[in-house]
Amino acid sequence: DQQVKQNSPSLSVQEGRISILNCDYTNSMFDYFLWYKKYPAEGPTFLISISSIKDKNEDGRFTVFLNKSAKHLSLHIVPSQPGDSAVYFCAASEGGKTSYDKVIFGPGTSLSVIP
Amino acid sequence: SQTIHQWPATLVQPVGSPLSLECTVEGTSNPNLYWYRQAAGRGLQLLFYSVGIGQISSEVPQNLSASRPQDRQFILSSKKLLLSDSGFYLCAWGTGTEKLFFGSGTQLSVL
Repeated sequence: DQQVKQNSPSLSVQEGRISILNCDYTNSMFDYFLWYKKYPAEGPTFLISISSIKDKNEDGRFTVFLNKSAKHLSLHIVPSQPGDSAVYFCAASEGGKTSYDKVIFGPGTSLSVIP
Repeated sequence: SQTIHQWPATLVQPVGSPLSLECTVEGTSNPNLYWYRQAAGRGLQLLFYSVGIGQISSEVPQNLSASRPQDRQFILSSKKLLLSDSGFYLCAWGTGTEKLFFGSGTQLSVL
């Protein structure tokens, strides 16, 4: 059973417009959420995160919104740039339960920003 | 600063051959270490994690094993590779927060 879902395998956006990537989760015990960005043949790199006590976190062009009641989060990129073209993974963790951080990843959404 | 090294970058192996992928971390002590796999068209699947030397936990029963002989060394192994072992293998480390730092990955093709 997939605990973190990204229902859009791909997304195309015009340069300068907003990119919205969506993520849904099923485990109500998740309390920390992250977005990673991955280029082909490279490891993912951390992009932005949000704790369950917040509903929004912003870092430059990137904003993550969390709706706990809907078990839904989204990543907004404004304005989108061609260099943002990559696969974006949503991830979640229960956090704090053990000495390790078991992070569960979604299947990813491939974003293409068209110049 | 912390760095993570993973090698080789690409590997082509015949079915039934052994496998050894190595990952080392520099600039930190007692990190949590992870092996993930990304199969073609799929997300990142957690295979193994380790919170200390000799401590290995497996998330998915499979043809692979992991070992942590030193604090900052994590090895992924197989005695006999299967076609289904093909994929992009990623090593990662964490410090007890949820943020993970990934290596550059190994593209394994089993033929």
